[in-house]
Amino acid sequence: DAGVIQSPRHEVTEMGQEVTLRCKPISGHDYLFWYRQTMMRGLELLIYFNNNVPIDDSGMPEDRFSAKMPNASFSTLKIQPSEPRDSAVYFCASSRIRGPGELFFGEGSRLTVL
Amino acid sequence: KQEVTQIPAALSVPEGENLVLNCSFTDSAIYNLQWFRQDPGKGLTSLLLIQSSQREQTSGRLNASLDKSSGRSTLYIAASQPGDSATYLCAVKTSYDKVIFGPGTSLSVIP
Repeated sequence: DAGVIQSPRHEVTEMGQEVTLRCKPISGHDYLFWYRQTMMRGLELLIYFNNNVPIDDSGMPEDRFSAKMPNASFSTLKIQPSEPRDSAVYFCASSRIRGPGELFFGEGSRLTVL
Repeated sequence: KQEVTQIPAALSVPEGENLVLNCSFTDSAIYNLQWFRQDPGKGLTSLLLIQSSQREQTSGRLNASLDKSSGRSTLYIAASQPGDSATYLCAVKTSYDKVIFGPGTSLSVIP
């Protein structure tokens, strides 16, 4: 299996622009998680999906953030408009419902907002 | 609300030493606990997963234990090597399927 695939790996944009991050979970996985990692706050859970349905989005910082999962193999995290404080590494992870529930991560998308 | 803490925040040891990393969580109603390794600029790599019914898991030089009642887990690394230098994070999966991470321990193994 190819693992969790995220794109883009790096994104540099200007304040006010729209940013879209993409994630392809491991095939057959039921859960998809979006995390944000910064030096100050560590790894923060933003939102997670179960079978494409958002379960908990209480970690989404503001209305500028939105996430969708239109099908089992694709999810997006959108920031509109972006701000410098959104600069971070955004990780996507997936796991199965059944079994031990091991979490697998993508390589992350490093976002810099100027 | 589940909170996860890790001590120490940073650790520096000479090569060959055995070491222990600690993870604590506030709510014992967990589904599993997972230890990860993160190298600078990279994603997270799963090291060990302990299900709530288990007490420990071993993989090579790594041994992780879980004590749900006290809300603690330890990661033991035997005979440390410079290649073990990385940040180690623990994460708990709650009964609501949320996965919450600790802040991590930055390990440096000196040759």
